[in-house]
Amino acid sequence: EVQLVESGGGLVQPGRSLRLSCAASGFTFDDYAMHWVRQAPGKGLEWVSGISWNSGSIGYADSVKGRFTISRDNAKNSLYLQMNSLRAEDTALYYCAKDLGGTTSGVYYMDVWGKGTTVTVSS
Amino acid sequence: QSVLTQPPSVSGAPGQRVTISCTGSSSNIGAGYDVHWYQQLPGTAPKLLIYGNSNRPSGVPDRFSGSKSGTSASLAITGLQAEDEADYYCQSYDSSLSIYVFGTGTKVTVL
Repeated sequence: EVQLVESGGGLVQPGRSLRLSCAASGFTFDDYAMHWVRQAPGKGLEWVSGISWNSGSIGYADSVKGRFTISRDNAKNSLYLQMNSLRAEDTALYYCAKDLGGTTSGVYYMDVWGKGTTVTVSS
Repeated sequence: QSVLTQPPSVSGAPGQRVTISCTGSSSNIGAGYDVHWYQQLPGTAPKLLIYGNSNRPSGVPDRFSGSKSGTSASLAITGLQAEDEADYYCQSYDSSLSIYVFGTGTKVTVL
């Protein structure tokens, strides 16, 4: 069974850091691009970042550029999101999603989603 | 950073047909990028509903259909059922911003 399980969320003070992880199973992880998508409470979906199969292509939403870093470890079937200088507006449920393809050129779509991990930024 | 616009809500009686529009621009839908649709049931993660403008993944009822024309796309639900109450999001890619973009989301209510 194809599965994505996020972890690492929690309550953090503004300005601090947090690292999210996503453990993948049931498919050949290093064949596919991966994404982080977030959803603030009561709000819509926002793409945060994406990474190609070999980490050769990476993209970020303007709202997180310079503060967040996406990475992956294909040997561990894992995706990560390092979040620095966190702000209240980063409070959201963060989803890990698998792309149907291997690149982040926008050709394909997100065919598998995890259940998400909650990040709350508050003092 | 929603560059795809959807109506906030649509509603219909059981058995009726409803449509949800997704309006973009020349740098995303109009540039030829496909539109995909996701269904988010209350309290759950999004689920792929339509891919490549009009294709249904295995297991998605044929009551759901998608189309694309110019800088817009649409999702239609025919024979509306109570279990279709959910939020629906369109998604594409914007070449000028080099980002994946989601629509603003539409809540479907079954009366």
